[in-house]
Amino acid sequence: DSGVTQTPKHLITATGQRVTLRCSPRSGDLSVYWYQQSLDQGLQFLIQYYNGEERAKGNILERFSAQQFPDLHSELNLSSLELGDSALYFCASSSNRGGQADNSPLHFGNGTRLTVT
Amino acid sequence: AQKVTQAQTEISVVEKEDVTLDCVYETRDTTYYLFWYKQPPSGELVFLIRRNSFDEQNEISGRYSWNFQKSTSSFNFTITASQVVDSAVYFCALTLDSNYQLIWGAGTKLIIKP
Repeated sequence: DSGVTQTPKHLITATGQRVTLRCSPRSGDLSVYWYQQSLDQGLQFLIQYYNGEERAKGNILERFSAQQFPDLHSELNLSSLELGDSALYFCASSSNRGGQADNSPLHFGNGTRLTVT
Repeated sequence: AQKVTQAQTEISVVEKEDVTLDCVYETRDTTYYLFWYKQPPSGELVFLIRRNSFDEQNEISGRYSWNFQKSTSSFNFTITASQVVDSAVYFCALTLDSNYQLIWGAGTKLIIKP
């Protein structure tokens, strides 16, 4: 058990809809990351938050947004969903202290499997 | 540019055989970190090891061992006496001292047959 909790485990929704994925990091970790894993794209970094602030952005679409709350849990919002958004979405946390370098291991949750029909 | 290559898309061996998963990386930075992660069929990503660029000592953890060679930019992973439970996709990844993002290899699917 990594200590990172993601809900829900599975989500099935229709095109055009909006969903929210939730993540609770490991106790003590201030950094949260979101990744998308699809069959054709592999693991794609979406976004990172550190202690409530956005720290780095990857291949995140404009239809997607995220935030990290004062209690350090994070939510990833996906809107105007398309069939191609079907994927496994992972949240990870690390003990990165917020400095420029980030080599702390990422500890991943079990993922949310999103199916858009 | 930085890159991680896992040339072996899929490997299939019979239980108890030894198997080596290759990882080759590219970077011009002198300080960097290498990782291996395991993704079993259940889907979660499990951290296995982190190695920094200044530590070329090989590491052994039970049946798992890692061979880091800067001269060939490789960080290979060997499983000795493989077991069916080792069946998973294994990812190698790289991060630099100067940025936040993990650079992932495409993964190697390891199938251990009973």
